[in-house]
Amino acid sequence: DQQVKQNSPSLSVQEGRISILNCDYTNSMFDYFLWYKKYPAEGPTFLISISSIKDKNEDGRFTVFLNKSAKHLSLHIVPSQPGDSAVYFCAANTGGFKTIFGAGTRLFVKA
Amino acid sequence: DGGITQSPKYLFRKEGQNVTLSCEQNLNHDAMYWYRQDPGQGLRLIYYSQIVNDFQKGDIAEGYSVSREKKESFPLTVTSAQKNPTAFYLCASSDSTSGIYEQYFGPGTRLTVT
Repeated sequence: DQQVKQNSPSLSVQEGRISILNCDYTNSMFDYFLWYKKYPAEGPTFLISISSIKDKNEDGRFTVFLNKSAKHLSLHIVPSQPGDSAVYFCAANTGGFKTIFGAGTRLFVKA
Repeated sequence: DGGITQSPKYLFRKEGQNVTLSCEQNLNHDAMYWYRQDPGQGLRLIYYSQIVNDFQKGDIAEGYSVSREKKESFPLTVTSAQKNPTAFYLCASSDSTSGIYEQYFGPGTRLTVT
Protein backbone atom coordinates (compact mmCIF):
# COMPACT_ATOMS: atom_id res chain seq x y z
CA ASP A 1 0.00 0.00 0.00
CA GLN A 2 1.80 3.08 -1.27
CA GLN A 3 0.68 6.02 0.81
CA VAL A 4 2.86 8.43 -1.16
CA LYS A 5 2.89 8.07 -4.93
CA GLN A 6 5.01 9.70 -7.58
CA ASN A 7 3.45 8.44 -10.77
CA SER A 8 6.02 9.83 -13.18
CA PRO A 9 9.28 7.85 -13.04
CA SER A 10 11.03 10.47 -15.14
CA LEU A 11 10.65 13.97 -16.54
CA SER A 12 12.66 15.79 -19.20
CA VAL A 13 12.72 19.58 -19.35
CA GLN A 14 14.62 22.18 -21.36
CA GLU A 15 16.98 24.46 -19.48
CA GLY A 16 15.27 27.69 -18.47
CA ARG A 17 11.78 26.18 -18.53
CA ILE A 18 9.63 25.17 -15.57
CA SER A 19 9.90 21.68 -14.08
CA ILE A 20 6.80 20.39 -12.30
CA LEU A 21 7.11 17.25 -10.21
CA ASN A 22 3.93 15.76 -8.83
CA CYS A 23 3.09 13.71 -5.79
CA ASP A 24 -0.17 12.21 -4.51
CA TYR A 25 -0.89 10.82 -1.08
CA THR A 26 -3.66 8.80 0.48
CA ASN A 27 -3.31 9.33 4.22
CA SER A 28 -5.25 12.40 5.37
CA MET A 29 -3.31 12.32 8.65
CA PHE A 30 -0.13 13.54 6.98
CA ASP A 31 0.58 17.04 8.21
CA TYR A 32 4.05 17.72 6.93
CA PHE A 33 5.46 17.19 3.44
CA LEU A 34 9.03 17.30 2.27
CA TRP A 35 10.97 17.10 -0.96
CA TYR A 36 14.42 15.57 -1.15
CA LYS A 37 16.88 15.63 -4.02
CA LYS A 38 19.31 12.82 -4.73
CA TYR A 39 22.35 12.79 -6.99
CA PRO A 40 23.92 9.47 -8.06
CA ALA A 41 26.17 7.86 -5.43
CA GLU A 42 25.00 10.33 -2.79
CA GLY A 43 22.34 10.27 -0.11
CA PRO A 44 19.18 12.37 -0.49
CA THR A 45 19.37 15.97 0.67
CA PHE A 46 16.49 18.02 1.98
CA LEU A 47 15.16 20.58 -0.49
CA ILE A 48 11.96 22.18 0.75
CA SER A 49 9.00 21.38 2.97
CA ILE A 50 5.46 22.50 3.63
CA SER A 51 3.11 22.20 6.55
CA SER A 52 -0.48 21.14 5.99
CA ILE A 53 -1.70 24.50 7.26
CA LYS A 54 -0.18 26.18 4.22
CA ASP A 55 -0.82 25.80 0.52
CA LYS A 56 2.43 27.21 -0.77
CA ASN A 57 6.04 27.52 0.29
CA GLU A 58 8.75 29.16 -1.74
CA ASP A 59 12.54 29.04 -1.52
CA GLY A 60 14.38 30.70 -4.37
CA ARG A 61 13.72 28.77 -7.58
CA PHE A 62 11.78 26.07 -5.73
CA THR A 63 8.11 26.29 -4.80
CA VAL A 64 5.96 23.57 -3.30
CA PHE A 65 2.19 23.69 -3.63
CA LEU A 66 -0.17 21.66 -1.48
CA ASN A 67 -3.78 20.87 -2.37
CA LYS A 68 -5.19 19.09 0.67
CA SER A 69 -8.62 18.44 -0.79
CA ALA A 70 -7.02 16.62 -3.72
CA LYS A 71 -4.29 15.08 -1.55
CA HIS A 72 -1.78 16.37 -4.05
CA LEU A 73 1.42 18.32 -3.89
CA SER A 74 3.78 19.55 -6.54
CA LEU A 75 7.29 20.93 -6.72
CA HIS A 76 7.96 23.70 -9.23
CA ILE A 77 11.49 24.57 -10.29
CA VAL A 78 11.80 27.83 -12.19
CA PRO A 79 13.98 28.29 -14.14
CA SER A 80 15.32 24.76 -14.47
CA GLN A 81 19.07 24.34 -14.66
CA PRO A 82 21.21 21.36 -15.78
CA GLY A 83 22.45 21.03 -12.18
CA ASP A 84 18.87 20.28 -11.13
CA SER A 85 19.09 16.93 -12.91
CA ALA A 86 18.59 14.42 -10.10
CA VAL A 87 16.02 12.13 -8.52
CA TYR A 88 13.41 13.95 -6.48
CA PHE A 89 11.61 12.19 -3.63
CA CYS A 90 8.35 13.35 -2.16
CA ALA A 91 7.90 12.45 1.51
CA ALA A 92 5.15 12.83 4.10
CA ASN A 93 5.01 12.72 7.87
CA THR A 94 2.16 12.53 10.37
CA GLY A 95 4.14 14.38 13.01
CA GLY A 96 6.13 11.53 14.45
CA PHE A 97 9.45 9.98 13.60
CA LYS A 98 8.20 7.95 10.67
CA THR A 99 8.40 9.51 7.21
CA ILE A 100 6.90 7.85 4.15
CA PHE A 101 8.76 8.33 0.87
CA GLY A 102 7.57 8.10 -2.70
CA ALA A 103 9.47 6.13 -5.33
CA GLY A 104 11.05 9.23 -6.81
CA THR A 105 11.00 11.06 -10.13
CA ARG A 106 14.16 11.38 -12.19
CA LEU A 107 14.45 14.88 -13.65
CA PHE A 108 16.59 15.52 -16.73
CA VAL A 109 17.26 19.16 -17.54
CA LYS A 110 18.63 19.50 -21.06
CA ALA A 111 21.01 22.31 -21.89
CA ASP B 1 32.56 19.04 8.65
CA GLY B 2 29.35 17.73 10.20
CA GLY B 3 27.63 14.86 8.50
CA ILE B 4 26.87 11.19 8.28
CA THR B 5 29.32 8.57 7.14
CA GLN B 6 28.48 5.11 5.95
CA SER B 7 30.99 2.43 5.22
CA PRO B 8 31.76 0.67 3.09
CA LYS B 9 30.28 2.12 -0.09
CA TYR B 10 30.03 -1.32 -1.72
CA LEU B 11 29.77 -4.62 0.10
CA PHE B 12 29.69 -8.14 -1.27
CA ARG B 13 28.70 -11.17 0.77
CA LYS B 14 27.88 -14.79 0.26
CA GLU B 15 24.39 -16.00 1.04
CA GLY B 16 24.03 -17.22 4.62
CA GLN B 17 26.50 -14.75 6.10
CA ASN B 18 25.57 -11.94 8.44
CA VAL B 19 26.93 -8.53 7.52
CA THR B 20 27.08 -5.27 9.48
CA LEU B 21 26.75 -1.86 7.86
CA SER B 22 28.30 1.07 9.64
CA CYS B 23 26.66 4.47 10.22
CA GLU B 24 28.26 7.31 12.16
CA GLN B 25 27.06 10.91 12.62
CA ASN B 26 28.69 13.93 14.20
CA LEU B 27 25.64 16.19 13.99
CA ASN B 28 24.72 15.56 17.62
CA HIS B 29 21.32 14.31 16.47
CA ASP B 30 19.22 12.19 18.80
CA ALA B 31 17.28 10.31 16.14
CA MET B 32 18.78 7.90 13.62
CA TYR B 33 17.21 5.78 10.89
CA TRP B 34 17.94 2.96 8.49
CA TYR B 35 16.22 2.76 5.12
CA ARG B 36 16.35 0.36 2.25
CA GLN B 37 15.92 1.41 -1.37
CA ASP B 38 15.02 -1.01 -4.15
CA PRO B 39 14.60 -0.09 -7.83
CA GLY B 40 11.27 1.62 -8.51
CA GLN B 41 10.41 1.91 -4.84
CA GLY B 42 10.61 4.61 -2.27
CA LEU B 43 12.81 4.47 0.77
CA ARG B 44 11.40 1.95 3.22
CA LEU B 45 12.09 2.25 6.93
CA ILE B 46 13.90 -0.68 8.53
CA TYR B 47 14.61 0.58 12.06
CA TYR B 48 14.78 3.87 13.85
CA SER B 49 16.17 5.07 17.14
CA GLN B 50 15.02 8.12 19.05
CA ILE B 51 17.65 7.95 21.75
CA VAL B 52 20.63 5.91 22.91
CA ASN B 53 19.80 2.33 23.96
CA ASP B 54 16.37 2.54 22.39
CA PHE B 55 15.16 1.59 18.91
CA GLN B 56 11.93 0.59 17.17
CA LYS B 57 11.09 -1.56 14.20
CA GLY B 58 10.09 0.11 10.99
CA ASP B 59 8.02 -1.36 8.20
CA ILE B 60 10.49 -4.02 7.05
CA ALA B 61 12.52 -5.02 10.13
CA GLU B 62 12.41 -8.78 9.58
CA GLY B 63 15.89 -10.18 9.00
CA TYR B 64 17.63 -7.07 10.33
CA SER B 65 18.98 -6.03 13.72
CA VAL B 66 20.42 -2.80 15.11
CA SER B 67 22.08 -1.41 18.19
CA ARG B 68 22.39 2.11 19.57
CA GLU B 69 25.06 2.04 22.25
CA LYS B 70 26.39 5.49 21.40
CA LYS B 71 24.60 8.61 20.22
CA GLU B 72 26.77 8.91 17.14
CA SER B 73 26.60 5.30 15.97
CA PHE B 74 23.74 3.14 14.65
CA PRO B 75 25.04 -0.03 12.96
CA LEU B 76 22.71 -2.29 10.99
CA THR B 77 23.21 -6.04 10.77
CA VAL B 78 21.71 -7.84 7.81
CA THR B 79 21.22 -11.40 8.96
CA SER B 80 20.97 -14.59 6.97
CA ALA B 81 17.23 -14.54 7.74
CA GLN B 82 16.69 -11.58 5.39
CA LYS B 83 15.35 -13.20 2.24
CA ASN B 84 16.31 -10.48 -0.25
CA PRO B 85 19.25 -8.60 1.24
CA THR B 86 20.65 -7.19 -2.00
CA ALA B 87 19.72 -3.49 -1.94
CA PHE B 88 20.93 0.04 -1.38
CA TYR B 89 20.95 0.95 2.32
CA LEU B 90 20.71 4.51 3.59
CA CYS B 91 21.31 5.78 7.09
CA ALA B 92 19.88 9.09 8.26
CA SER B 93 19.66 11.24 11.35
CA SER B 94 17.46 14.09 12.51
CA ASP B 95 17.25 16.61 15.26
CA SER B 96 14.26 15.21 17.08
CA THR B 97 13.63 18.46 18.86
CA SER B 98 13.52 20.64 15.77
CA GLY B 99 9.96 19.83 14.84
CA ILE B 100 10.92 20.02 11.20
CA TYR B 101 11.52 16.30 10.68
CA GLU B 102 14.13 16.97 8.03
CA GLN B 103 16.53 14.07 7.82
CA TYR B 104 20.19 14.12 6.91
CA PHE B 105 21.35 11.14 4.90
CA GLY B 106 24.63 9.37 4.46
CA PRO B 107 25.92 8.39 1.00
CA GLY B 108 24.60 4.83 1.32
CA THR B 109 25.98 1.31 1.13
CA ARG B 110 25.18 -0.95 -1.79
CA LEU B 111 25.02 -4.53 -0.55
CA THR B 112 25.17 -7.43 -2.97
CA VAL B 113 24.58 -10.95 -1.69
CA THR B 114 25.21 -13.89 -4.01
